[in-house]
Amino acid sequence: SELTQDPAVSVALGQTVRITCQGDSLRSYNANWYQQMPGQAPVVVIYGKNNRPSGIPDRFSGSGSGNTASLTITGVLGEDEADYYCGSRNTSGNRPWVFGGGTKLTVL
Amino acid sequence: QVQLQQSGPGLVKPSQTLSLTCAISGDSVSSSSSNWNWIRQSPSRGLEWLGRTYYRSKWYNDYAVSVKSRITVNPDTSKNQFSLQLNSVTPEDTAVYYCARLVGTVDSYYFDHWGQGTLVTVSS
Repeated sequence: SELTQDPAVSVALGQTVRITCQGDSLRSYNANWYQQMPGQAPVVVIYGKNNRPSGIPDRFSGSGSGNTASLTITGVLGEDEADYYCGSRNTSGNRPWVFGGGTKLTVL
Repeated sequence: QVQLQQSGPGLVKPSQTLSLTCAISGDSVSSSSSNWNWIRQSPSRGLEWLGRTYYRSKWYNDYAVSVKSRITVNPDTSKNQFSLQLNSVTPEDTAVYYCARLVGTVDSYYFDHWGQGTLVTVSS
């Protein structure tokens, strides 16, 4: 992937977790973050600098600096256990949109 | 409320053509602010953007270089849907295929609505 994510992260219930995404395209474009539950399509949870679609809880937030973007979940709930993918526009010519390899979040 | 409903076969033989359709409700395939995309997901490739169609006074297409020689994404305005054709498939094309709408804001483009996904297996 042209965007790099840690394959797995774990967090205790109620704590705060940060999921990161790195890539050269993030120096030019904001990352978007998608949550994917098993057997379901991805759902956007953060888009742009730090925007939440309607219905996404405010415990989800996004940030970025340089070539790194982060998704932070504050006060993690059991229902947040899922795969999380970053995505952005691409600065290379092979495809205009790229995704990270995904981070499996486990809530302990 | 935008909804995308996918249809198409789940099994395709090697060397044949993979064909999927995505029916749109709550928006128009001819919308001047939406882009209509195909994305696939497999354990080996992760999420992979394949191509899109969009209308801005005329129809445009973009395709990923990796599939550009084999892919066609077409709008169907009469049925308000769009389609994916991927020719000469191999087992490497086995994946869950999603259609998705791409929209833009002041600081990002993002995929805000996705179809339910179709598992396509390439096998004889």
